[in-house]
Amino acid sequence: EPEVTQTPSHQVTQMGQEVILRCVPISNHLYFYWYRQILGQKVEFLVSFYNNEISEKSEIFDDQFSVERPDGSNFTLKIRSTKLEDSAMYFCASSPQGTSTDTQYFGPGTRLTVL
Amino acid sequence: QKEVEQDPGPLSVPEGAIVSLNCTYSNSAFQYFMWYRQYSRKGPELLMYTYSSGNKEDGRFTAQVDKSSKYISLFIRDSQPSDSATYLCAMSAILTGGGNKLTFGTGTQLKVEL
Repeated sequence: EPEVTQTPSHQVTQMGQEVILRCVPISNHLYFYWYRQILGQKVEFLVSFYNNEISEKSEIFDDQFSVERPDGSNFTLKIRSTKLEDSAMYFCASSPQGTSTDTQYFGPGTRLTVL
Repeated sequence: QKEVEQDPGPLSVPEGAIVSLNCTYSNSAFQYFMWYRQYSRKGPELLMYTYSSGNKEDGRFTAQVDKSSKYISLFIRDSQPSDSATYLCAMSAILTGGGNKLTFGTGTQLKVEL
């Protein structure tokens, strides 16, 4: 069964450094998402992406964040200058169409630790 | 008031028990209601979805939605130790640019004991 994959599984970085989290969505899906989950807290929406553009972003997704689909398979989240509070699990998800009845399939997540 | 509220638990039940998990919400724009299961340090896995008031059954799982009360439930019959996980309710409204932003509850941690 097709699945969303994410790399790395765990990333440790120093405060102020840039990180890139990578995702490979399911191949025929058109909508891509990033969510994050701070330890002990709920899963929060960051951004949705369609047709090489951001379609929606949350207030969390400020100027230090960016997303890109550099080729036909990868979808990346870049955090330009990491802060301690960026430490969280970051989940990538994809869906076929982006309608309200569409299922979002989540990857296993990347655990980001900012020291 | 939070958009989605969910009792975090933890909830501990004996094997074979019926489990009831609940969420309330405040946003009337939510059209689509889901339950995800999340094992420790893994991504959420979709269990059930529904978009109308009433019940939907899938094996041992029943999802219930009451839009008038803004209340959703997940029932697990004959619970098994393998059901031990965190259960997340999630809801969505269509985004103006397309796509489907999910708003999650905090999750209820369930442990089914032998």
